[in-house]
Amino acid sequence: QVQLVQSGAEVKKPGASVKVSCKASGYTFTSYDINWVRQATGQGLEWMGWMNPNSGNTGYAQKFQGRVTMTRNTSISTAYMELSSLRSEDTAVYYCARTSSTGTTPFDYWGQGTLVTVSS
Amino acid sequence: EIVMTQSPATLSVSPGERATLSCRASQSVSSNLAWYQQKPGQAPRLLIYGASTRATGIPARFSGSGSGTEFTLTISSLQSEDFAVYYCQQYNNWPPKLTFGGGTKVEIK
Repeated sequence: QVQLVQSGAEVKKPGASVKVSCKASGYTFTSYDINWVRQATGQGLEWMGWMNPNSGNTGYAQKFQGRVTMTRNTSISTAYMELSSLRSEDTAVYYCARTSSTGTTPFDYWGQGTLVTVSS
Repeated sequence: EIVMTQSPATLSVSPGERATLSCRASQSVSSNLAWYQQKPGQAPRLLIYGASTRATGIPARFSGSGSGTEFTLTISSLQSEDFAVYYCQQYNNWPPKLTFGGGTKVEIK
């Protein structure tokens, strides 16, 4: 069965960077895009960007341009999202979610989420 | 950026009653619209895609309709497990520039 398993919770200081991983199983990793979506406590869902694991191509929401980097390691079917220059407003649960690589589609599978807390 | 607006923000419904949730797009998204259900402490779950197609394993009491800029999610007879937050999301652009609505919380009346 398809699974996306994310790394554990992180606590970071303002100005630092965080790197969250998302390990895929149950399907061919390079056949589907990986997206990242975040959710602050009690708030809605915010799409951050996408990555094609086959080509490494990425696209980021304008809000995160220059601060986010999405990468992958195809040998271990794992995607990564790194967010830099963290501030308190970046405290949120970060999800990875899968979409088709052959056109825009909804998120059919999600990771369990990773809580990132930014605090001095 | 396509802005998605959901209404109402909160919907109070009694078990067994019908719930109707609305989602409006700031420009046409054709039928590239999905609905998700999210319960506390859980990741969202895909309910509806293509505006009206139920995802695998989703009960028939969930139905979606609409196209262009106006969309509706209907839960025909609310069960206890349906009390949750529901989000709409458009996926009309390539390359992707995906946006969500602000959510509708369906609570017990």
